Amino acid sequence: GDSVTQMEGPVTLSEEAFLTINCTYTATGYPSLFWYVQYPGEGLQLLLKATKADDKGSNKGFEATYRKETTSFHLEKGSVQVSDSAVYFCALCFINAGNMLTFGGGTRLMVKP
Amino acid sequence: KAGVTQTPRYLIKTRGQQVTLSCSPISGHRSVSWYQQTPGQGLQFLFEYFSETQRNKGNFPGRFSGRQFSNSRSEMNVSTLELGDSALYLCASSVDSSYNEQFFGPGTRLTVL
Repeated sequence: GDSVTQMEGPVTLSEEAFLTINCTYTATGYPSLFWYVQYPGEGLQLLLKATKADDKGSNKGFEATYRKETTSFHLEKGSVQVSDSAVYFCALCFINAGNMLTFGGGTRLMVKP
Repeated sequence: KAGVTQTPRYLIKTRGQQVTLSCSPISGHRSVSWYQQTPGQGLQFLFEYFSETQRNKGNFPGRFSGRQFSNSRSEMNVSTLELGDSALYLCASSVDSSYNEQFFGPGTRLTVL
């Protein structure tokens, strides 16, 4: 079946450091790809998305590029802030599967001042 | 515009009991999806309802069921609770069932003793 694999956390960085969170997927076909973020005590928020190969999603300084050849969707940010501390989830969805998201295991990011 | 609301926020039950969780979607949203979040299994899709009809169902036993009302509010029910049902149950709403951005509620934390 379809699956998403993320690097395990926690990832601990100092403020202004560069962030990469790896995400790879296994799927039959070409899904849409997403990054969601979950702050403590809250539900998930959509951070960015890409719907086809080579698309780049971006939001709030975060970006990720849909790489079909490596089945990857790595999340990057050039300079993290303390406020970026959260759990990040990579997910996929097929257009003909309604709103059914398949999530990776999540990666906790901790940013220290 | 009010976000997705879930009630109750916290719930404690004992094995063998049943429980009903409620989700009120964003006004105008007709699709409601439910997810279970646990430390061991991560985020897993339970089911999606659109216009009072179940559109998709995840790989969960029949003890997990749901429904949607004409005002798009949704409930999920878990019968004969097991210890492993302890989880954060997240509800997400979307405009329709052809993937659009899903907005998540804060979740209901269910503890089974």
